[in-house]
Amino acid sequence: ILNVEQSPQSLHVQEGDSTNFTCSFPSSNFYALHWYRWETAKSPEALFVMTLNGDEKKKGRISATLNTKEGYSYLYIKGSQPEDSATYLCASTDSWGKLQFGAGTQVVVTP
Amino acid sequence: EAGVAQSPRYKIIEKRQSVAFWCNPISGHATLYWYQQILGQGPKLLIQFQNNGVVDDSQLPKDRFSAERLKGVDSTLKIQPAKLEDSAVYLCASSPSSAGRGEQYFGPGTRLTVT
Repeated sequence: ILNVEQSPQSLHVQEGDSTNFTCSFPSSNFYALHWYRWETAKSPEALFVMTLNGDEKKKGRISATLNTKEGYSYLYIKGSQPEDSATYLCASTDSWGKLQFGAGTQVVVTP
Repeated sequence: EAGVAQSPRYKIIEKRQSVAFWCNPISGHATLYWYQQILGQGPKLLIQFQNNGVVDDSQLPKDRFSAERLKGVDSTLKIQPAKLEDSAVYLCASSPSSAGRGEQYFGPGTRLTVT
């Protein structure tokens, strides 16, 4: 993998359901993996930064895992709420400090 | 702590016109970034400043885009002349890390529409 790729591009979730989505990134020269939440008309907000293989981070109902050997990260939302509706961006930093973003996963949570 | 400020928030111009965006980073942050986010794509780095020096401008279309960081604090990004494909959200971010590996803090962006 040469670029950061996210899937799916978008998903619709019923309120209360849990969901997850994927970020794939180049595993060579890897330094860190970032997850951001970007709500419409607001600033992208940093959720997690992970650097070590096997890292797991949690913030409320949102959690993320990291596999640096195979180059992927999962973001999980447990018990989705309407306020979770946003675009979730992942970005990979290489050893030179260059940040490369994926195109994002747009999450829409319907009541 | 005040966040990254950007202005204007929205701008509509005609092709071949000029436009400038302004960014005020978080106080004390050494590194400042400008990104271009075209609809359906991830943010793409245009230029990275370390204090008032340019670290990376490899993806900046230098024939029409220019940027400067005044006294290592505020920054302006200019497009002259604009093309239709420049329609995008322009994000400014800053980081306290001098190595460029630390967490980046984003402003709300400027949404540019070129007609």
